Amino acid sequence: KNQVEQSPQSLIILEGKNCTLQCNYTVSPFSNLRWYKQDTGRGPVSLTIMTFSENTKSNGRYTATLDADTKQSSLHITASQLSDSASYICVVSDRGSTLGRLYFGRGTQLTVWP
Amino acid sequence: KAGVTQTPRYLIKTRGQQVTLSCSPISGHRSVSWYQQTPGQGLQFLFEYFSETQRNKGNFPGRFSGRQFSNSRSEMNVSTLELGDSALYLCASSLAPESETQYFGPGTRLLVL
Repeated sequence: KNQVEQSPQSLIILEGKNCTLQCNYTVSPFSNLRWYKQDTGRGPVSLTIMTFSENTKSNGRYTATLDADTKQSSLHITASQLSDSASYICVVSDRGSTLGRLYFGRGTQLTVWP
Repeated sequence: KAGVTQTPRYLIKTRGQQVTLSCSPISGHRSVSWYQQTPGQGLQFLFEYFSETQRNKGNFPGRFSGRQFSNSRSEMNVSTLELGDSALYLCASSLAPESETQYFGPGTRLLVL
């Protein structure tokens, strides 16, 4: 069964600290993996998208890694800011075709305290 | 460049009614996807349209339908509303399917009483 599991479910960190969010998936075949940030009451915003051949991709203070062999991805946030408080959602797509599907994780709720 | 717009932003309906939600993608984007988000189930994929054709569909009953017009604007329709249909409905646009980035709209929050 194709699934995407994220951990931790929620996380509280102090402003300025780093954190790492995890995403494990069983989706097969694999096409790409995306990380989204969703602020409360708003639509998700894409942070990164990685294909099978990419191991690391950065977007400012956000760095995503992908290990396609172990089917794991992580999102590392450096020097956290209060505005990083949001839900971070991992989404995996199976191989691109007319029948491609997207599988969503439940998200990690990150709270950054001053 | 204007972002993805969704109308209405909030909607209250009663069981058994039907509803139509609208999504206008970013200018030049031809792919539109719809998602349902609830606290219990998280984000779930409804369907994707590209060039007026439904390209992909999630595991939702036939009460959920959609279409895309020649200007890439999209509508989704839910007939015979149930209480469980209460959710945030999000629309996302991209240049094409599997594009680097999807841009989400603010969503339509539907409450079914």
